[in-house]
Amino acid sequence: ELKVEQNPLFLSMQEEKNYTIYCNYSTTSDRLYWYRQDPGKSLESLFVLLSNGAVKQEGRLMASLDTKARLSTLHITAAVHDLSATYFCAVDRGANAGGTSYGKLTFGQGTILTVHP
Amino acid sequence: KAGVTQTPRYLIKTRGQQVTLSCSPISGHRSVSWYQQTPGQGLQFLFEYFSETQRNKGNFPGRFSGRQFSNSRSEMNVSTLELGDSALYLCASSLDTPYNEQFFGPGTRLTVL
Repeated sequence: ELKVEQNPLFLSMQEEKNYTIYCNYSTTSDRLYWYRQDPGKSLESLFVLLSNGAVKQEGRLMASLDTKARLSTLHITAAVHDLSATYFCAVDRGANAGGTSYGKLTFGQGTILTVHP
Repeated sequence: KAGVTQTPRYLIKTRGQQVTLSCSPISGHRSVSWYQQTPGQGLQFLFEYFSETQRNKGNFPGRFSGRQFSNSRSEMNVSTLELGDSALYLCASSLDTPYNEQFFGPGTRLTVL
């Protein structure tokens, strides 16, 4: 069974500092997604990572994927208050991994990020 | 382009009742997935529909069911509601390309009393 683990689960940051959220998964996959959720809101797609070594950047966020280590990272540069939210990684096994996930994303527990002045 | 819509946004029911939630995917998306989000269990996959067929199902009891219509709109039904069914129910749609980027609706907040 595919398991996805994020750490840390809680992250309190000061503005202008850098930090990284880690996402480990237990079985072969080359498709990983990052989502953001604001309190009481739905999930917003941030990044889609589809191959080993993939790196995507948007503003102060950068995501990368290492399929050999089964690890993705979400790096936050010079945090600002607007980045306060819960961040989820999700994995999709896909056909290449010997499974057919058909619409099933397996999510990590989420990392609650709070950015303080 | 309109996003995923879900109705109703909020529901309050009592134990033993049943409930039907509705989801309209992004135009052109034929895959619809449903998730349950709770503080204790996080985001859990319920089922996925494509072209009116359920292709995948999560580990939920048979009280949870769904269907998809020819216009790709989907409904999920929960019968004999239990207190533990209180959750945010999220619907997501995708193009069903080789990868599975899903776009989520605003969710339906179900409270069971």
